[in-house]
Amino acid sequence: AQKVTQAQTEISVVEKEDVTLDCVYETRDTTYYLFWYKQPPSGELVFLIRRNSFDEQNEISGRYSWNFQKSTSSFNFTITASQVVDSAVYFCALKDGANNLFFGTGTRLTVIP
Amino acid sequence: EAGVAQSPRYKIIEKRQSVAFWCNPISGHATLYWYQQILGQGPKLLIQFQNNGVVDDSQLPKDRFSAERLKGVDSTLKIQPAKLEDSAVYLCASSFGEVETQYFGPGTRLLVL
Repeated sequence: AQKVTQAQTEISVVEKEDVTLDCVYETRDTTYYLFWYKQPPSGELVFLIRRNSFDEQNEISGRYSWNFQKSTSSFNFTITASQVVDSAVYFCALKDGANNLFFGTGTRLTVIP
Repeated sequence: EAGVAQSPRYKIIEKRQSVAFWCNPISGHATLYWYQQILGQGPKLLIQFQNNGVVDDSQLPKDRFSAERLKGVDSTLKIQPAKLEDSAVYLCASSFGEVETQYFGPGTRLLVL
């Protein structure tokens, strides 16, 4: 069975600090996709990134970076120089070989000005 | 490009009443999803449509929930009769195809009293 674990329920950081959100997944599929979504207080899930299981290259997009390590089944997300607008709930998700999307329980990030 | 539209944004009803939610996906997206997100949890899939056909409704409580996408564009999700445990955010998402990234609407926040 597929599973996504986000062990950090809530994180608080002071503005301009760096923060890493952890995501560990379980799947027996060889082909799968990993995602991060941001859910601000407005409620909409905003797509951030998608990686496929064959591409372990790390990715950087502005202040955001992602570290995908198949050896540890992890797909961690780092925000550099955090800002108040980064405050949201962040979800990691796994799409399996049958195209089912499984979400973790989310990490609530609060950036304190 | 317009995103996924949902209405209403908020709904309060009493248990045993009926309620319906509407979703308009991103133009050209053949695949449409309804998710239920209970407070403090990640979204869970209720039903998936490919055009106007149901692909997966294995997690839909069919004794009280129904959904349709008659013309392969808009969709409605209905609960009849509602229970207290149906209080949640109902998210609609769409994607170009089953393997593509899902984009989410703002959700409908339902409170059943």
